Amino acid sequence: AQTVTQSQPEMSVQEAETVTLSCTYDTSESDYYLFWYKQPPSRQMILVIRQEAYKQQNATENRFSVNFQKAAKSFSLKISDSQLGDAAMYFCAYRRGNNDMRFGAGTRLTVKP
Amino acid sequence: KAGVTQTPRYLIKTRGQQVTLSCSPISGHRSVSWYQQTPGQGLQFLFEYFSETQRNKGNFPGRFSGRQFSNSRSEMNVSTLELGDSALYLCASTPAAGVNTEAFFGQGTRLTVV
Repeated sequence: AQTVTQSQPEMSVQEAETVTLSCTYDTSESDYYLFWYKQPPSRQMILVIRQEAYKQQNATENRFSVNFQKAAKSFSLKISDSQLGDAAMYFCAYRRGNNDMRFGAGTRLTVKP
Repeated sequence: KAGVTQTPRYLIKTRGQQVTLSCSPISGHRSVSWYQQTPGQGLQFLFEYFSETQRNKGNFPGRFSGRQFSNSRSEMNVSTLELGDSALYLCASTPAAGVNTEAFFGQGTRLTVV
């Protein structure tokens, strides 16, 4: 069974600094997608970034980038130039084909002014 | 394009009652999934519907059921509510089956069982 592990329940970063959130997953498949979702206090899950497993190049979206290590089954999220609006719960997720999306337990990110 | 719409946003029910939650996916999306989110268990998959058929199901008791209509709108029903059913219920839609795409989420329905 595919499982997703986020080992950091909480993280804190100073405004304008960089922070990295960790995620590892367990799968025997070679073709799958990985995602980072953000859930602010408004509760709506918002897609931050996604990575196709068959692509070696790490995905980037503005200040957000990932470090995808397929062999190590690691998928970390780096947030550069952190802003107050980045404060939220961040969930790592795995999905393959028609199967349901599996989520990690989440990391609560606090941004200090 | 309008996003995923869930109604109602908040609900308070008494133990033993039943409840129906509604989800309207993004226009053109045919797959709808439901998740239960609680502080203790995190996000847990309930079920997924595609073209009015349940395609996947999580490990929840039979009290939890769902359906999808021909316009892709979906409802989930919980019968004989228990205190432990208090949670945020999230609905997500995806464009099509068989594609490793991201899910687009609604704002959720906060269910409180008293």
